[in-house]
Amino acid sequence: EIVLTQSPGTLSLSPGERATLSCRASQSVSSLYLAWYQQKPGQAPRLLIYGTSSRAAGIPDRFSGSGSGTDFTFTISRLEPEDFAVYYCHQYGSERWTFGQGTKVEIK
Amino acid sequence: QLQLQESGPGLVKPSETLSLVCTVSGGSISSITNYWAWVRQSPGKGLEWIGNIYYSGSTYYSPSLKSRVTISVDTSKNQFSLKLSSVTAADTAVYYCASGYSYNRIFYYMDVWGRGTTVTVSS
Repeated sequence: EIVLTQSPGTLSLSPGERATLSCRASQSVSSLYLAWYQQKPGQAPRLLIYGTSSRAAGIPDRFSGSGSGTDFTFTISRLEPEDFAVYYCHQYGSERWTFGQGTKVEIK
Repeated sequence: QLQLQESGPGLVKPSETLSLVCTVSGGSISSITNYWAWVRQSPGKGLEWIGNIYYSGSTYYSPSLKSRVTISVDTSKNQFSLKLSSVTAADTAVYYCASGYSYNRIFYYMDVWGRGTTVTVSS
């Protein structure tokens, strides 16, 4: 099983600031098979990034992803009020698909 | 625009079988560019992938749940379903159905999710 470890657990930032989230895999993940989701309370996860760096349909360009191998990064260039949420990385390249434990981006 | 809706009992007794259905609207469950999935979320274990199914009936299950899970598709009703047997309190979670992109029968990201349904396992 590929374990995804996200850091930090919580990120306290102000609107307009840059958010940088990390996702580290216990084994190498093909860049084709790494995604990032946003989840707000009481809602389903929403796909933001797939294939490490491709934005899903309708996702603003302030959201971006990068990385390779075991280290992946998700960035929000300038936080908008609606961006405060929990973010999950997800790998879908192995026999058992797994998610990270999440990073909460909260208002400072 | 593809939409998914989960339905099923919100309360299941220990040792019984959890059964959920996901109804697909705005698209065909027989699409060759989609696959269909179940994911659950519990406070203790976070997001957990349960398994996938293709319209042809090919299934792929999480190894940790494989012995208890059955996912099937009903093309006549545009639905797919989840059965999880011998449930315990550890199976209490919000269950989501989702759709993903498939190309050449390779499954990629899940991009459409249902709203989720809460299932509690308790006597």
